[in-house]
Parts: sequence; structure tokens; C-alpha cells
Amino acid sequence: DAGVIQSPRHEVTEMGQEVTLRCKPISGHNSLFWYRQTMMRGLELLIYFNNNVPIDDSGMPEDRFSAKMPNASFSTLKIQPSEPRDSAVYFCASTQGGRADTQYFGPGTRLTVL
Amino acid sequence: AQSVTQPDIHITVSEGASLELRCNYSYGATPYLFWYVQSPGQGLQLLLKYFSGDTLVQGIKGFEAEFKRSQSSFNLRKPSVHWSDAAEYFCAVGAYAGKSTFGDGTTLTVKP
Repeated sequence: DAGVIQSPRHEVTEMGQEVTLRCKPISGHNSLFWYRQTMMRGLELLIYFNNNVPIDDSGMPEDRFSAKMPNASFSTLKIQPSEPRDSAVYFCASTQGGRADTQYFGPGTRLTVL
Repeated sequence: AQSVTQPDIHITVSEGASLELRCNYSYGATPYLFWYVQSPGQGLQLLLKYFSGDTLVQGIKGFEAEFKRSQSSFNLRKPSVHWSDAAEYFCAVGAYAGKSTFGDGTTLTVKP
């Protein structure tokens, strides 16, 4: 298996622009997670899906952030409009969905908002 | 609600020395515990996990961890550290639907 795939790997955009991050989880995995990592705040869980349904989005910082999972093999995280404070590395992870199951992380998308 | 505490933000050890990274958890039921490692510029990778049985768990890269219920701890150890072990280490406790609560991480620096 190719593992969790994220695109793009790097994104540089200007404040106010819309940004869309993409994730393809491992085939057969039922849960998908979006994390944000910064030096100041560490690793933060933004939202997670189970069987394509959002379970907990309490970590989404504000309404500018939205996430979708239209099917089991694809998810997006959208920021509109983007702000400089959104600059971070965004990780997607997937798991089979049990408490003892390992989370498999993608390589991350490094977002820079100028 | 579950929580994980990693008391040490940063640890420095000499190459060849032993290592112990601390992790304390809070969870109402039997915990499912994980250690992940993050090398610079990469995502997190599982080192080892505990969910039942023997309280001493062996992982990849020569790491092991011991679950101590009485101390609510799951400390990570390695008898001899290599320069390539320099990374950030995260302890986590597993929950519903595969969600994990992560600690804040411990950054390991290895001196030559």
C-alpha cells in the first residue's frame, strides 16, 4: 500500500486566498483525522471522520476552516479566506477505527500564508 | 476525558547512553497506549503500542516501553541511543473510533 497520500506537499499563498488540502487515506481504513502542527501549539486535532461522517470538529479553529469526506478514499480541508496565522504543517492520518489501532500519518502539507 | 502528559519538553543524551522518556496518562478504563516518533520534516510513525498482556512492550528500532497501571505511566526506553534517534517523540492514548489523544511531545537531541 502507498500509505496516506497528501497533496500538495508545500503550498505558499497570499492572505485572503482559498487553500484546499487533500488527503487519500489507506484503503480499508474507516477513520480519518486532520491535524495541524506548529511550534507554538504543537500537534492539534482539527477534525475526524468515521465512515465518512464527521464525528468531532471541535478542534476546527473557526468558520474559515471546513472539511469534507465525500467518500472513503478522499478528504479535503479548506481554508477560506486564509490568514498568516494559518501557516503550519497539516497532517492527515487514517486508522481502521478501533481504540487499539495505529494511526498512519501522511507526510504533511506545509502551508505558508504570506 | 483522557489526557496524556509528557513532563519533559526537551532531553539531551550522549550517543550510546541510555534513554527514558516519560509519559503519564489519565483514562477511566483500560488504556490503549502508543508511542510515535516524528523525524524532522516527516509525519508521525508508530514505535510501539500496548493494549493488553505483557506490560513490557517491544517496538521498532530497539525501543521498549513499560506499562505501569499503579503509576499511570507508559515510559519509553532504549538502552543505547544512536544519533539517528534524534527526533520528537509523542505518547498517545487511544479512544473511540481510532482517535488518539497525544501528549505535547518530547524532543530528543543526541550529542556525539
